[in-house]
Amino acid sequence: ILNVEQSPQSLHVQEGDSTNFTCSFPSSNFYALHWYRWETAKSPEALFVMTLNGDEKKKGRISATLNTKEGYSYLYIKGSQPEDSATYLCALGRTTSGTYKYIFGTGTRLKVLA
Amino acid sequence: GAGVSQSPSNKVTEKGKDVELRCDPISGHTALYWYRQSLGQGLEFLIYFQGNSAPDKSGLPSDRFSAERTGGSVSTLTIQRTQQEDSAVYLCASSFLTWDYGYTFGSGTRLTVV
Repeated sequence: ILNVEQSPQSLHVQEGDSTNFTCSFPSSNFYALHWYRWETAKSPEALFVMTLNGDEKKKGRISATLNTKEGYSYLYIKGSQPEDSATYLCALGRTTSGTYKYIFGTGTRLKVLA
Repeated sequence: GAGVSQSPSNKVTEKGKDVELRCDPISGHTALYWYRQSLGQGLEFLIYFQGNSAPDKSGLPSDRFSAERTGGSVSTLTIQRTQQEDSAVYLCASSFLTWDYGYTFGSGTRLTVV
């Protein structure tokens, strides 16, 4: 069973602080790693698709890196804003028993305090 | 519609009653997934439909859970004889079948069993 671990489980930061959190996994046997942002009462929103070549992805103040050798991905938020408050999910896409599906971590709940 | 639509958005039911949750995916998406997130847990895979193939039911937690997808479009997740541990947010997502496309999620159904 492949477990995707995310840490920390929850995080409170002050507005303007930069922060990062981790998605770790035991195997490089996957096709892609996805980061999602899930705001309360809304749909999870796709942030990044990370492929095995390990390129950094960037979207405004948010960026992500992937280290397949060491088995982790980092999500960074620079200059956090209250609207960044959400649960951030990572998911590994892999084929299991002929079915391609994602294995999600438990998420990191971020609260940015104004 | 433009997105994945789920109904109802909230459902409170008495223990032992049956419930039906509906998902209307994005037109043209061949893959449809059901997940759930219980309090404090990660997203848990339930069932996957792809075209006319037999669904992957490997994530259904018990035989009280069933799902169908009619005409390759709308899907219904049915929970019979609900239990309190069934309380969760049930998310539906649809996708094309490319590994890098990711999912488009609905906004979920929050099920509370009292």
